[in-house]
Amino acid sequence: LAKTTQPISMDSYEGQEVNITCSHNNIATNDYITWYQQFPSQGPRFIIQGYKTKVTNEVASLFIPADRKSSTLSLPRVSLSDTAVYYCLVLVDSGSARQLTFGSGTQLTVLP
Amino acid sequence: KAGVTQTPRYLIKTRGQQVTLSCSPISGHRSVSWYQQTPGQGLQFLFEYFSETQRNKGNFPGRFSGRQFSNSRSEMNVSTLELGDSALYLCASSLETRRNSGANVLTFGAGSRLTVL
Repeated sequence: LAKTTQPISMDSYEGQEVNITCSHNNIATNDYITWYQQFPSQGPRFIIQGYKTKVTNEVASLFIPADRKSSTLSLPRVSLSDTAVYYCLVLVDSGSARQLTFGSGTQLTVLP
Repeated sequence: KAGVTQTPRYLIKTRGQQVTLSCSPISGHRSVSWYQQTPGQGLQFLFEYFSETQRNKGNFPGRFSGRQFSNSRSEMNVSTLELGDSALYLCASSLETRRNSGANVLTFGAGSRLTVL
């Protein structure tokens, strides 16, 4: 199955907006894109989910272009507590199999 | 509402031994899935159970197996442990609305950290 790729790491300062992109060329045509956040010694935690265009909730926004081959998680005005690893999750369609696949994860470090 | 509970949280085994990990899902969640997390490979899907049936399986050898009980609790077993099996094993449950879909929001446990010596 094709890989779902993300930048390995990103640094930001408190109060800035952070955008993390996930590339998923083989995403299934009729399924959602979901993002999770993981702190050390914890399991991942749901952040946001979308199918197309833009979705916003109280903590983040998710931008999905028309071809759906990528998605961008946007965190407005990050704080130190947003330091974590962020994963996208998509249903990858290889033609012979469809399998939920996590991205490689992005370590976000927020600096004071 | 209680979260997903995994036991044990930490364990150490030696090569060749076997291990059984347990997962209690959120009440009412019938889908339970397992993942292996390592620094090199990231989060990899092991298998998914729904109503005591394994519906999906990831690309892992047959040494990795699991089951689900009628109360939705799940166990996974790894036999003939190898050094490379050292990892954090995560269990997630969901209130399934669509089969094999990212639409199903996963609630994860804290994981069981296995060290193989």
